[in-house]
Parts: sequence; C-alpha cells; structure tokens
Amino acid sequence: EAGVAQSPRYKIIEKRQSVAFWCNPISGHATLYWYQQILGQGPKLLIQFQNNGVVDDSQLPKDRFSAERLKGVDSTLKIQPAKLEDSAVYLCASSSRGIRGTHEQYFGPGTRLTVT
Amino acid sequence: TQLLEQSPQFLSIQEGENLTVYCNSSSVFSSLQWYRQEPGEGPVLLVTVVTGGEVKKLKRLTFQFGDARKDSSLHITAAQPGDTGLYLCAGPAGTALIFGKGTTLSVSS
Repeated sequence: EAGVAQSPRYKIIEKRQSVAFWCNPISGHATLYWYQQILGQGPKLLIQFQNNGVVDDSQLPKDRFSAERLKGVDSTLKIQPAKLEDSAVYLCASSSRGIRGTHEQYFGPGTRLTVT
Repeated sequence: TQLLEQSPQFLSIQEGENLTVYCNSSSVFSSLQWYRQEPGEGPVLLVTVVTGGEVKKLKRLTFQFGDARKDSSLHITAAQPGDTGLYLCAGPAGTALIFGKGTTLSVSS
C-alpha cells in the first residue's frame, strides 16, 4: 500500500513570495490533515478535511494560508505572502476513520520550507 | 486548553543503556499515542494506549498509560543506535491530535 505522498520535499523562498504544497493521501482515506512543525516542536494542526469538507481550520492563519481538497482526494496548502516565521516542516497526514472514534494517522515525509 | 508536556527534551546515551521518557498533562485523555520521527521523515505511530494503567510492549519498548489517564511513559531497554529519533506523544483533541514537543534521543555506539 502506497503511503502519503508530498511534494516538493524542500522549498526555499523569499519573504512575501507565495508557495504551494501538494499532498496525496493513502487511497480510500477520507480524513486529511495538514500540520505545521516548527523546529524543536511537535506538529500543530492547521486544517482537517473530511472528504472535501473542512472539519477544523481554527488554527489556520486565514489571512495568508489557504487549503483545498478538491474531489476529496488530493489537497494543496498555499501560503501567500510568506513570512519568516512560516519556516517549518509542513506535514500531511491521512486517516481512514471517520470523525468519531480513535484513529491512526499516517504521515507523509513533509515539505521543509525555508523563508529568507 | 489541553497540553502535553514531554521530558526530557534531549537525551544522549550510549548503546546498551536503558532510558525512560515522560509525557504529562493536567487533562484526562481518552487515549495517548506515541510516535517516532526520524530526520527528514514524518512521524510513525508506535503504539496507542487507551486504558488507565495499561502497559504495552513492542520489542525493547515498554509503554505505560497512567491510572488517571493524564500521563504516559516510554521505557527503552538496551538502547541501540537505530532507536535514535524524535519521540512524540499525542492525544486526541476533537477528531485531530495534539502533540507534545517531543524528546530527541541520540544513541551512540
């Protein structure tokens, strides 16, 4: 079974530029998550999708971050304009469980973003 | 707000030593998970504990969930260089997860 795929793996941009990350979850997984992991910290949830609907985006800085999950499969996360403090690893995860019950999340390798 | 505090933050040991890392909270969790993350990779689930007082073993790793379901520990026996990585505990927050800051473990041969 293929895992969660993310691209690009690395990205370096200047502040105020825009950037987009792509995620392809495990086939059949209805729930998709985007996390931000700043160096030295644990992952922090940015947004959660159930199929193509948003379940939780309360910690997404909506003035600069946006995400979509068209057709309930692939997802893109965009930052525009980027700030220095956005430098982090952006992790995508997927889960087969619905919004109730315990669940195991499978993580992709992440995209390491450096904003200069 | 639910928080998970992990300690120690960093641990550097020699091969063959034993170690314990801790995950504590002031909140009760219905379950806790432990993940290991290697450099350049995403976290990988090691175990989920769901019952207060539960002990689970995974080869040389022993996980315990506190009786009050507010804390958990991970004990590694005879650590090996392959155990090197970031160990994260996580608990459910709604239908997502909140993570501790992790313990970075370095095992040298």
